[in-house]
Amino acid sequence: EAGVTQSPTHLIKTRGQQATLRCSPISGHTSVYWYQQALGLGLQFLLWYDEGEERNRGNFPPRFSGRQFPNYSSELNVNALELEDSALYLCADGERGRWNTGELFFGEGSRLTVL
Amino acid sequence: KNEVEQSPQNLTAQEGEFITINCSYSVGISALHWLQQHPGGGIVSLFMLSSGKKKHGRLIATINIQEKHSSLHITASHPRDSAVYICAARVGNTDKLIFGTGTRLQVFP
Repeated sequence: EAGVTQSPTHLIKTRGQQATLRCSPISGHTSVYWYQQALGLGLQFLLWYDEGEERNRGNFPPRFSGRQFPNYSSELNVNALELEDSALYLCADGERGRWNTGELFFGEGSRLTVL
Repeated sequence: KNEVEQSPQNLTAQEGEFITINCSYSVGISALHWLQQHPGGGIVSLFMLSSGKKKHGRLIATINIQEKHSSLHITASHPRDSAVYICAARVGNTDKLIFGTGTRLQVFP
């Protein structure tokens, strides 16, 4: 069973550009969480998608957005990039049953650098 | 003040030492997770606790619900244990996770 996959591994952009990051949950699972881990900070909740819909979002400006596709993969878009958007973006499989049993599965992350 | 606090922030040890990492939280939780983040960024789930104690190999996790405190212990530490250890509190009966800022552990041979 493939785990949570994220792409790209690394992405370098300049201020003002847009970045698109991708995540696929475990096959057959419908729910995806996005987190930002900025340097020196803990993981911050960004967005939660389940069955194609945005279920919740964290305290991030609207230029952070995303979507979930019919195959349950998800995109995170960051518009008008700022230097402080440089971070590791992690995606987690949001299958509630697994969370209830203790299984949290994260992707390897996408490291975004904004120059 | 963060709702989930970890200590210490950084920890160095010699191979073989017993390691303790602490996590305190101020919110009502239904479970607490311990995660291990490798240098490349990938995160592995170690434990989920709602009460008592769990053991897996050289890793032991305990939680005291009344004191709102959890500890992660590593016995006979090894250089391959070097990583960032993160505790995450699951709030009530929600899917909301609040993460600690992590403890960076370095174990030297």
